[in-house]
Amino acid sequence: QLQLQESGPGLVKPSETLSLTCTVSGGSISGSSPYWGWIRQPPGKGLEWIASIHYSASTYQNPSLQSRVTISVDTSRNQFSLKLSSVTAADTAVYYCARPRGIIDAFDMWGQGTMVTVSS
Amino acid sequence: QSVLTQPPSVSAAPGQKVTISCSGSSPNIGNSYVSWFQQLPGKAPKLLIYENTKRPSGIPDRFSGSKSGTSATLGITGLQTGDEADYYCATWDSSLIAVVFGGGTNLTVL
Repeated sequence: QLQLQESGPGLVKPSETLSLTCTVSGGSISGSSPYWGWIRQPPGKGLEWIASIHYSASTYQNPSLQSRVTISVDTSRNQFSLKLSSVTAADTAVYYCARPRGIIDAFDMWGQGTMVTVSS
Repeated sequence: QSVLTQPPSVSAAPGQKVTISCSGSSPNIGNSYVSWFQQLPGKAPKLLIYENTKRPSGIPDRFSGSKSGTSATLGITGLQTGDEADYYCATWDSSLIAVVFGGGTNLTVL
């Protein structure tokens, strides 16, 4: 049974870089063709796609966040990671990693989500 | 402001049917498959519908999806109190080169 688990600090200071890792278990990150994704949800608000990465390291990023986002993959550890730089309070959200059923959307497997608060 | 437009809320009585609309444009819904997600309070989203009309294994046939032009619709029949949740549509936008989500619709089963 495929499982995804987010990990990383729950508190980040303004202007610093948020770093999260998604560990995939029960299957290989390079064993299929989808683009593994990061999605976030600010408290009380809707879902926002951040970025997606293929095991080949091909990426897509939300244009509104692109200048601050770095997404990477480590196939040897079966992990993919997200870095978001110059964070502000507006980046406070639950961050999810997910795998799409199709190529890049229709996410059918989700991590439990991790709350990240940006505050000094 | 979401690229995909959903009504903020809908409501219906137990046992009744409800539909949730998702309006987009040519670069997104008009040219890509639509998926639908259910998010129960405090939980991760769950895929209900993919490729406009298909249900993943385990999703009851009370949930259905359709698409026409640049709009998509999620239908839920035989409403149950357990269906109270937020529902989101999503698709690929070939102009933005991005996955886009609707703003979400909160379903209340009265």
